[in-house]
Amino acid sequence: ETGVTQSPTHLIKTRGQQVTLRCSSQSGHNTVSWYQQALGQGPQFIFQYYREEENGRGNFPPRFSGLQFPNYSSELNVNALELDDSALYLCASSLLGVGDQETQYFGPGTRLLVL
Amino acid sequence: AQSVTQLGSHVSVSEGALVLLRCNYSSSVPPYLFWYVQYPNQGLQLLLKYTSAATLVKGINDFEAEFKKSETSFHLTKPSAHMSDAAEYFCAVSLGDMRFGAGTRLTVKP
Repeated sequence: ETGVTQSPTHLIKTRGQQVTLRCSSQSGHNTVSWYQQALGQGPQFIFQYYREEENGRGNFPPRFSGLQFPNYSSELNVNALELDDSALYLCASSLLGVGDQETQYFGPGTRLLVL
Repeated sequence: AQSVTQLGSHVSVSEGALVLLRCNYSSSVPPYLFWYVQYPNQGLQLLLKYTSAATLVKGINDFEAEFKKSETSFHLTKPSAHMSDAAEYFCAVSLGDMRFGAGTRLTVKP
């Protein structure tokens, strides 16, 4: 168990809708990263938040946005859903600036299906 | 730019046989390297990590990996496969954001 939780576990949406996925980081971790894992592929980096500010972004359009809150929780928001957004969304927490800062601990993921 | 390449999308071994999963990295600076395992319908679990302290890294469940700078490799091995090792394995490199390989599915035959 990593101490990272995500909700919901599964979600079905239709094209054009908006979705919010939630993550609760490991206690004390100041950084959360979000990844998209399409079926049969490795996770792709979406973005990272450090102390509630975006701290890096992968090759994803602006309709993918996020928030990080002081209580170690975070959100991934996706607007105008497309069929290709169907994937497993993973969040990972880490502690930047202290010791073993490179290790990320992953949650179980949210599986999103866009119809 | 940093990246990893996993050679072989699918590896099949017999129970008790040696497991070898291959990973080559590309990085302009000394990298942090990781191996993660993913069981069906689950998130990623850290197996082991290389952070330049030692070239031979031991992880959980008897897995280990050796960092070879001359070969830019970080292959994962286990002396004796167990049925419970059947899963998807991902190599990753990190310099801030983490870049994953495409994964290798390990099948263990009885």
